[in-house]
Amino acid sequence: GENVEQHPSTLSVQEGDSAVIKCTYSDSASNYFPWYKQELGKRPQLIIDIRSNVGEKKDQRIAVTLNKTAKHFSLHITETQPEDSAVYFCAASIPPQGGGSEKLVFGKGTKLTVNP
Amino acid sequence: DGGITQSPKYLFRKEGQNVTLSCEQNLNHDAMYWYRQDPGQGLRLIYYSQIVNDFQKGDIAEGYSVSREKKESFPLTVTSAQKNPTAFYLCASSIASGEHEQFFGPGTRLTVL
Repeated sequence: GENVEQHPSTLSVQEGDSAVIKCTYSDSASNYFPWYKQELGKRPQLIIDIRSNVGEKKDQRIAVTLNKTAKHFSLHITETQPEDSAVYFCAASIPPQGGGSEKLVFGKGTKLTVNP
Repeated sequence: DGGITQSPKYLFRKEGQNVTLSCEQNLNHDAMYWYRQDPGQGLRLIYYSQIVNDFQKGDIAEGYSVSREKKESFPLTVTSAQKNPTAFYLCASSIASGEHEQFFGPGTRLTVL
């Protein structure tokens, strides 16, 4: 089945620096790649997503890039701020298998700390 | 953060007891999901449902059961067969299964005493 690997597991940066989190996936049929942010004690929330027909997507300070050939995608956060500190999860969609319906497989998460 | 709720926030259970976690949504979403979150393990899918009266096993369904009798409700039962049930459980919903944003509930922390 689909396997999503996420690196690094922890990341510490200085305020104002950039942060990059990388994910790889195994199923070439995956077409949808969301990123979720989970602040301490809160629920995960979608921050950006990308579909396989697009190579890059930006939303203010965050961007996601996708390389379908290499089966990897990355989250880029520029000009980091302390409020960016959270756990970030990547995910990849899995097409329906064995009578089931489409679902997401999540990476194990990256704990980002932005130091003032 | 409104729209999808879980109760209770904290739950304590004795070994050998079944316990049911509640998940309700008023977003009119067809698809609902249950995830288990353990430190360093990410979000692992337990069960999911793409429509009322239908549900499928996820990656770690053993020891769990669900029902989907109403569109807005997707309760999860943790049975005594689940060997390591202490965890944080997250419910989510989306307008349809697959390539759509999932909206998460606040979670239930289950502790087995």
